[in-house]
Amino acid sequence: LAKTTQPISMDSYEGQEVNITCSHNNIATNDYITWYQQFPSQGPRFIIQGYKTKVTNEVASLFIPADRKSSTLSLPRVSLSDTAVYYCLVGDMWRDDKIIFGKGTRLHILP
Amino acid sequence: DGGITQSPKYLFRKEGQNVTLSCEQNLNHDAMYWYRQDPGQGLRLIYYSQIVNDFQKGDIAEGYSVSREKKESFPLTVTSAQKNPTAFYLCASRKGANTGELFFGEGSRLTVL
Repeated sequence: LAKTTQPISMDSYEGQEVNITCSHNNIATNDYITWYQQFPSQGPRFIIQGYKTKVTNEVASLFIPADRKSSTLSLPRVSLSDTAVYYCLVGDMWRDDKIIFGKGTRLHILP
Repeated sequence: DGGITQSPKYLFRKEGQNVTLSCEQNLNHDAMYWYRQDPGQGLRLIYYSQIVNDFQKGDIAEGYSVSREKKESFPLTVTSAQKNPTAFYLCASRKGANTGELFFGEGSRLTVL
């Protein structure tokens, strides 16, 4: 399982675009990158998953450079309700049964 | 509606007592997971199961036990051997080995007095 490194916390303001970067230098060929969001006293919720280049859905975008050693979760025009912890996970979807979460990034949106 | 149900939501127990947390899913998912979360910390994997009657230890299995007698159910017992059991416990399921998406329950908060 690839080890991931994320900032411990970030602050931003409502209406801004927020980018959270995850470093995963030892990512393997078959590994995918998955991001989850967790609100206080709730279970994490899947946001987005990608393998390379760019993935976009109704919630976020995920940018993955060619070397895949890092990835960036982009949240467009955040609101106060985007205040949460964001986790980056890296692993082989087809072989990895053991799914490990890191410490995540605590994002605080200010009015 | 399909989903994962954890119960109870809140639980208080005295030291030395075993407690069992329930996790039921009607998503027809093969894999199920138990995580523990302490205040301000990430999730730590306790046990996981890919199929009925089989389960594996996660990173912090000591003091916990599980069973997987039915596909829908994956109960977690916090035994008296767990030195610091007060925590938020999260159960999750995953459809199969070819998807990274975990679906989580609402969690059970255990407080040991």
